[in-house]
Amino acid sequence: RKEVEQDPGPFNVPEGATVAFNCTYSNSASQSFFWYRQDCRKEPKLLMSVYSSGNEDGRFTAQLNRASQYISLLIRDSKLSDSATYLCVVKLGNTGNQFYFGTGTSLTVIP
Amino acid sequence: DAGITQSPRHKVTETGTPVTLRCHQTENHRYMYWYRQDPGHGLRLIHYSYGVKDTDKGEVSDGYSVSRSKTEDFLLTLESATSSQTSVYFCAISAPINSGNTIYFGEGSWLTVV
Repeated sequence: RKEVEQDPGPFNVPEGATVAFNCTYSNSASQSFFWYRQDCRKEPKLLMSVYSSGNEDGRFTAQLNRASQYISLLIRDSKLSDSATYLCVVKLGNTGNQFYFGTGTSLTVIP
Repeated sequence: DAGITQSPRHKVTETGTPVTLRCHQTENHRYMYWYRQDPGHGLRLIHYSYGVKDTDKGEVSDGYSVSRSKTEDFLLTLESATSSQTSVYFCAISAPINSGNTIYFGEGSWLTVV
């Protein structure tokens, strides 16, 4: 069983739409959670951390549900520039090496 | 900018030749990683380092070796390149964020083995 699973999509949405991605993780000892964005032929870049209380950054909202072991990312008012692959990343404990990655969800925002 | 530089950024090599990819960081982070990313597999850890001369294997380490003789440099060597090692390779570091750490990537090295 994979440590982190994501729906690969693709998600094709019109500009202005709201889109949500989910990601599940298997290890209940996971402590830190993140969403990354990866553009074509570029490196993954940190989009935002995810907290149990939820956090919001402009049009982006991330949520963590520890009981059900999933994290979510909501994008409101989608822009063409949001087109990318979104990766969820889970870290176990405080040791430096244990990061686990989803395979990514592809989003295309259509004019 | 996480201060990570990878070289070369693009390379084409022949099957059976050794290849070394270099990762250089400017901020003295302890943990450094090498990942490969392939369609359908996502990011897979090859090797990582937790200090000078301290390295360990990841999930896809066969055919790869690493060295870290200085804090700032982490080298990935393909002993004898094969076509299955055609991939994009990302170096990464673990750095503080909020109350923990997260991971930051270099720009990637595109390797084609022909």
